[in-house]
Amino acid sequence: KQEVTQIPAALSVPEGENLVLNCSFTDSAIYNLQWFRQDPGKGLTSLLLIQSSQREQTSGRLNASLDKSSGRSTLYIAASQPGDSATYLCAVKAAGNKLTFGGGTRVLVKP
Amino acid sequence: NAGVTQTPKFQVLKTGQSMTLQCAQDMNHNSMYWYRQDPGMGLRLIYYSASEGTTDKGEVPNGYNVSRLNKREFSLRLESAAPSQTSVYFCASSGGLADYNEQFFGPGTRLTVL
Repeated sequence: KQEVTQIPAALSVPEGENLVLNCSFTDSAIYNLQWFRQDPGKGLTSLLLIQSSQREQTSGRLNASLDKSSGRSTLYIAASQPGDSATYLCAVKAAGNKLTFGGGTRVLVKP
Repeated sequence: NAGVTQTPKFQVLKTGQSMTLQCAQDMNHNSMYWYRQDPGMGLRLIYYSASEGTTDKGEVPNGYNVSRLNKREFSLRLESAAPSQTSVYFCASSGGLADYNEQFFGPGTRLTVL
């Protein structure tokens, strides 16, 4: 059974510092990995999707890498801002058309 | 473009009552999904519809039914609500089941069953 873990569960950084968020998964037979952002009381916003054949994806200040063989993905957010404060979730898609989500990392960027 | 919309935003039910959660998307997506989010359990797939006219069970389908009314709309029905169904319910859609398709989520319905 696929399990997705995000450590740490919470992270606090000063504004301007780079954020590094980790996601690990137990079964490397994935089709893609997606990073989401969730603000309190809101839905999920898709940030990046990496297909299994890709090593990384970039969008603005965000960069996500994928190492399938080691079962890891990392989301980098450059020059963090208070508006980046949110919970970040990763999810992997495997057989059965199901996304398996991690528990999320709650990020606070202090001004 | 409204994206994925859900109604209602909040609902309180008594045990045994029934209700239908509505979801619609305006992105011409083929696939739609229903998830629930619970503290400590994360997001779990209830049902999904790969395309209009098809539905399949996800990880936690017991106590729920779904209807893919047309390409735009996918509803989730609780026939006899139980306190264990207290949760936040999210609808999502994607272009299809192919690996390059992102899932886009609605704002959620917060359901409390007393």
